[in-house]
Amino acid sequence: RKEVEQDPGPFNVPEGATVAFNCTYSNSASQSFFWYRQDCRKEPKLLMSVYSSGNEDGRFTAQLNRASQYISLLIRDSKLSDSATYLCVVNEGTYKYIFGTGTRLKVLA
Amino acid sequence: NAGVTQTPKFRVLKTGQSMTLLCAQDMNHEYMYWYRQDPGMGLRLIHYSVGEGTTAKGEVPDGYNVSRLKKQNFLLGLESAAPSQTSVYFCASSYLFGPRNEQYFGPGTRLTVT
Repeated sequence: RKEVEQDPGPFNVPEGATVAFNCTYSNSASQSFFWYRQDCRKEPKLLMSVYSSGNEDGRFTAQLNRASQYISLLIRDSKLSDSATYLCVVNEGTYKYIFGTGTRLKVLA
Repeated sequence: NAGVTQTPKFRVLKTGQSMTLLCAQDMNHEYMYWYRQDPGMGLRLIHYSVGEGTTAKGEVPDGYNVSRLKKQNFLLGLESAAPSQTSVYFCASSYLFGPRNEQYFGPGTRLTVT
């Protein structure tokens, strides 16, 4: 089993749609969780950290489910500019940040 | 405030040649990392540093060396490049390890070894 698993997609959604991605992780001792956005041939950029209580930033909502060992990202009212690859990252409290392979999102006009 | 910068942005090497990739950060971060990203794989850690003068091996260190002589700089060296080292290399930095400690990435170096 991979340490961090994501559905590679692509998720093709129309503008204005709501879309959700899940990411599962294998190490129950993992301490912190992040979603990054990566545009084609660019560096990963932090989208949001994921807190135990869940958190929201504008159209983006992140949730953590420790019991089932997954995190989720919900994007509401999708924009064309949201088209990118979304990386799930899990940190074990050390130097070790485990990166998923990413979920590709295409928002269609 | 430039964040994390990397030079060069692109490079083509012949097998056996050497080169150094430079990473610089102006956020006063203690920890710095070098990753490589290959198609269909998540970012993989090559080496990391927990402070000036320290380095440690990551997941895929073979064929690479690093140095951290100044807190703001982290250098990645390839002594004898191989085609298997064709990849995109990202440098990152963070303030600490642990909870709520985000990494910030440089723009990447695209390396092709022929």
